[in-house]
Amino acid sequence: ELKVEQNPLFLSMQEGKNYTIYCNYSTTSDRLYWYRQDPGKSLESLFVLLSNGAVKQEGRLMASLDTKARLSTLHITAAVHDLSATYFCAVIPTGGFKTIFGAGTRLFVKA
Amino acid sequence: DTAVSQTPKYLVTQMGNDKSIKCEQNLGHDTMYWYKQDSKKFLKIMFSYNNKELIINETVPNRFSPKSPDKAHLNLHINSLELGDSAVYFCASSQGSGGSTSTDTQYFGPGTRLTVL
Repeated sequence: ELKVEQNPLFLSMQEGKNYTIYCNYSTTSDRLYWYRQDPGKSLESLFVLLSNGAVKQEGRLMASLDTKARLSTLHITAAVHDLSATYFCAVIPTGGFKTIFGAGTRLFVKA
Repeated sequence: DTAVSQTPKYLVTQMGNDKSIKCEQNLGHDTMYWYKQDSKKFLKIMFSYNNKELIINETVPNRFSPKSPDKAHLNLHINSLELGDSAVYFCASSQGSGGSTSTDTQYFGPGTRLTVL
């Protein structure tokens, strides 16, 4: 069965710094998603990546997908406190229906 | 207008009781889901319906029974509640069912925090 692993699971960083969250998955996939969850809130879609080499950017977040390495990255540029949240990657395996979520990365940006 | 709504938002109940959580989406989506998020934030799919047909039925106790009266609604009924059922339950919807060619981004409801005492 498809496994999705994120690392790190917890990240504390200073404002203004850059960092990358990694998402590895174990079988082939057509689609990879990144979601954000604020404490006590629901999940909000950030990006959907559909093909090898796909890159999407919004504000200080940039997501990329390497389907050959089965790896997606979420890069944070010049972090600000408002980015503090839990970030999940999620994958649908090729030909499948079920979305498998990673364990989430809790990001805390210190002001 | 709320896209995916759930009621109630909080549910506190005693072990052994039966309870229901309701979900409605006004996005015109074909597929709806129930997820359980435990205390460690781990998110696991429980069920999915596409146009009222059950397409994902994960290994969950048969005390949990989903019902989809129409494609805009997906309810979750839980019998004989146990302490381990305490979690946040999220409903979500998407246009496709994961096997289609659409992006199938899921839109999540606000969650129902269930506490079993």
